[in-house]
Amino acid sequence: DIQLTQSPSSLSASVGDRVTITCQATQDISVYLNWYQQKPGKAPKLLIYDASNLETGVPSRFSGSGSGTDFTFTISSLQPEDIATYYCQQYDNLLLTFGGGTKVEIK
Amino acid sequence: EVQLVQSGPEVKKPGESLKISCKASGYRFTTYWIGWVRQKPGKGLEWMGIIFPGDSDTRYSPSFQGQVTISVDRSTSTAYLQWSSLKASDTAIYYCARQAYTSGVSLKHWGQGALVTVSS
Repeated sequence: DIQLTQSPSSLSASVGDRVTITCQATQDISVYLNWYQQKPGKAPKLLIYDASNLETGVPSRFSGSGSGTDFTFTISSLQPEDIATYYCQQYDNLLLTFGGGTKVEIK
Repeated sequence: EVQLVQSGPEVKKPGESLKISCKASGYRFTTYWIGWVRQKPGKGLEWMGIIFPGDSDTRYSPSFQGQVTISVDRSTSTAYLQWSSLKASDTAIYYCARQAYTSGVSLKHWGQGALVTVSS
């Protein structure tokens, strides 16, 4: 089965900073990679689907890129409300895997 | 509006059985895959399995194959996750989530989560 390595596992940044999270798959998954945001005590929220498509209603400061095995998630200008844990998730023939998560905090 | 409403918190003893539910509304139930995701206290998300209500086609994560059973009742638009013999290590929040679009497997609509506590 396909594993996802997400890094870093945590980061601290200032409001307005550009934040980048990477997700690496153990084999080629084309663009079948999604990104979620989870705030404490809440269910995850889909932000990006199929590597680079912004889900409806999600602020444009969030973006995703990549294909094959290497993917990047970016917050262009970190806002206080972006404090959360972010997860990548792949799907390959209806077998899914989540990355380990990246906890984003404000410096 | 798409909604997934999960059953309430459960407290069980090791060895007991359990079936939790996820009732869907606001869309055609048989058209989208529904998945189950585990989150242990303070830990990350783990995908358990996914089912297509239209024909009950079910896929399990290798980590959960044989440990749980996923099913649906099309007459009530409800998906289920069940255990025949719970362990303390099954203590977690369990989420159901629906596929966002009819292609791809991104999970857009989520239930509120169901806390399962297994303790002697």
